[in-house]
Amino acid sequence: NAGVMQNPRHLVRRRGQEARLRCSPMKGHSHVYWYRQLPEEGLKFMVYLQKENIIDESGMPKERFSAEFPKEGPSILRIQQVVRGDSAAYFCASSPEGNNYGYTFGSGTRLTVV
Amino acid sequence: QQQVKQSPQSLIVQKGGISIINCAYENTAFDYFPWYQQFPGKGPALLIAIRPDVSEKKEGRFTISFNKSAKQFSLHIMDSQPGDSATYFCAASRGSTLGRLYFGRGTQLTVWP
Repeated sequence: NAGVMQNPRHLVRRRGQEARLRCSPMKGHSHVYWYRQLPEEGLKFMVYLQKENIIDESGMPKERFSAEFPKEGPSILRIQQVVRGDSAAYFCASSPEGNNYGYTFGSGTRLTVV
Repeated sequence: QQQVKQSPQSLIVQKGGISIINCAYENTAFDYFPWYQQFPGKGPALLIAIRPDVSEKKEGRFTISFNKSAKQFSLHIMDSQPGDSATYFCAASRGSTLGRLYFGRGTQLTVWP
């Protein structure tokens, strides 16, 4: 049973380009969470999704960021017109329905904006 | 506004010693308190978690102590080993079904031989 798969592991984008980060949850998991980690900081919640639904997007910046978790395929975090301040590690986590104990993180995508 | 405050920022412990990391929170609605361990280049991994109905939970060398009245909880690593060297994050959440986690800023633990 593969864990939470994120790709790419590393992504370099020039300012103004778009970044698309993918997350395939663990088999049987229907809930996906995205977090952002800046150097020397903890993880900051961005969005919580179930299949075809956004449950909580209170941590998402109002502009340029969007997320989806379609019925088929991976969850996608999309950042439009990237700026240097978007450089960070982005982690995805997943959990099964009705989970109340913890979720499993992927290894992250490290985005560098040059 | 940091909902979960963690200290110290870094910690150096001798092999065999006890590592203690502390966290405090303000929101009394929080009812789930996990600890995550993160190695460089990896995602955080759930280490141990506690709910407020107990004051202590132990799993192997790892123990969570929870003080509901003080709104504080701590992680104790007994007999610390060099392999424990990692960054540790405390977190908090609310609700019977796990949703958003509020993380502390992390503690970088170094255990030297």
